[in-house]
Amino acid sequence: NAGVTQTPKFQVLKTGQSMTLQCAQDMNHEYMSWYRQDPGMGLRLIHYSVGAGITDQGEVPNGYNVSRSTTEDFPLRLLSAAPSQTSVYFCASSYLAGGIANTGELFFGEGSRLTVL
Amino acid sequence: AQTVTQSQPEMSVQEAETVTLSCTYDTSENNYYLFWYKQPPSRQMILVIRQEAYKQQNATENRFSVNFQKAAKSFSLKISDSQLGDTAMYFCAFMSPGGYQKVTFGIGTKLQVIP
Repeated sequence: NAGVTQTPKFQVLKTGQSMTLQCAQDMNHEYMSWYRQDPGMGLRLIHYSVGAGITDQGEVPNGYNVSRSTTEDFPLRLLSAAPSQTSVYFCASSYLAGGIANTGELFFGEGSRLTVL
Repeated sequence: AQTVTQSQPEMSVQEAETVTLSCTYDTSENNYYLFWYKQPPSRQMILVIRQEAYKQQNATENRFSVNFQKAAKSFSLKISDSQLGDTAMYFCAFMSPGGYQKVTFGIGTKLQVIP
């Protein structure tokens, strides 16, 4: 059981470039999300999804796009990278029971370290 | 909005000793969940322990236990018999009944277990 898989693990971009961080889970989780982790700031929610075709913004959505065409995949797109987007990005997923959070546990990927020059 | 405060940026403990990590939170809600997550170096974050606010009994998972003080809005993590594998960042998190998108994380405490 692979759990939550993120690719790439490391990426260096130049300002203005675009890229996609991939996230896939094999646990049939309805809920998927993207966080960024910055020193001294903990984890902040970027975007989330409660099922295929349904996405919504989190705390820090600007500069990022998401889509959810399947239950398994939840890619995060940086449209025009900026140095302020240098961070470690985590994908997390979990179960939903009838649309309500189940156990409360989030399952995380290993993270993607992004540097924007 | 909820806030989660971890006031200890870094801590260290001798192997086999006990250490307590502090966490306080602020909320106006009565029912919620609290979590401690562990992030080992260069590895994914995993759940250590969970507490439901309506349960008065403190949660315990093997060497990990919490001291949940609802009135004081305090949720500390005690690690007994510390092991080298406990070296990690520890994040306290709060989740309101609104769902996973309502999870708020603290800034983390870096714990170093010294042989």
